[in-house]
Amino acid sequence: GQQVMQIPQYQHVQEGEDFTTYCNSSTTLSNIQWYKQRPGGHPVFLIQLVKSGEVKKQKRLTFQFGEAKKNSSLHITATQTTDVGTYFCAGLNNFNKFYFGSGTKLNVKP
Amino acid sequence: GAVVSQHPSWVICKSGTSVKIECRSLDFQATTMFWYRQFPKQSLMLMATSNEGSKATYEQGVEKDKFLINHASLTLSTLTVTSAHPEDSSFYICSAKGGLGSSYNEQFFGPGTRLTVL
Repeated sequence: GQQVMQIPQYQHVQEGEDFTTYCNSSTTLSNIQWYKQRPGGHPVFLIQLVKSGEVKKQKRLTFQFGEAKKNSSLHITATQTTDVGTYFCAGLNNFNKFYFGSGTKLNVKP
Repeated sequence: GAVVSQHPSWVICKSGTSVKIECRSLDFQATTMFWYRQFPKQSLMLMATSNEGSKATYEQGVEKDKFLINHASLTLSTLTVTSAHPEDSSFYICSAKGGLGSSYNEQFFGPGTRLTVL
């Protein structure tokens, strides 16, 4: 069945360090979305990538979609304590269903 | 952005009772609503996809008679956990798709409902 794997599961960084989370799908995706969930909160949409090889930036966040549309990454430059939370990727398959990755919990030490 | 509400935000019930959770899109008409459950420190697991006026599509392993979904209008979907048991205790989150101004299948999530079955 559809599987979306995400690594690492946890990441602890010092404020100012960079952070990257990787997402891999067992099947080709129509698009991929990224969400952030703060502790105790619900997932909040960050961005969607649609095209093969697409790269998008949001301030310190850089999102990439692989050429084969089976993997993606989220990179945060110079993390801040406000970046704390769990980052999920969600892949949309050809049946128009979203499957969430396992998430990467980011902790930023001030 | 579009707003999705869920009610109740938390519920504690006795084993064997049924619990209904409502998911509403407040300022847009949702063509599709999704129901997820999330165990502590784990990811969101898609339970079912709900389209207004039609039967919900359940994911493999999700009992449709256990988790009844009704999508009566473009702004309301309900999930009823029937004869709840302690193993049903979880965080249930709905999301809606199709909001005005939404882009590329963006999902708008409700705040979630924490169900505890004693």
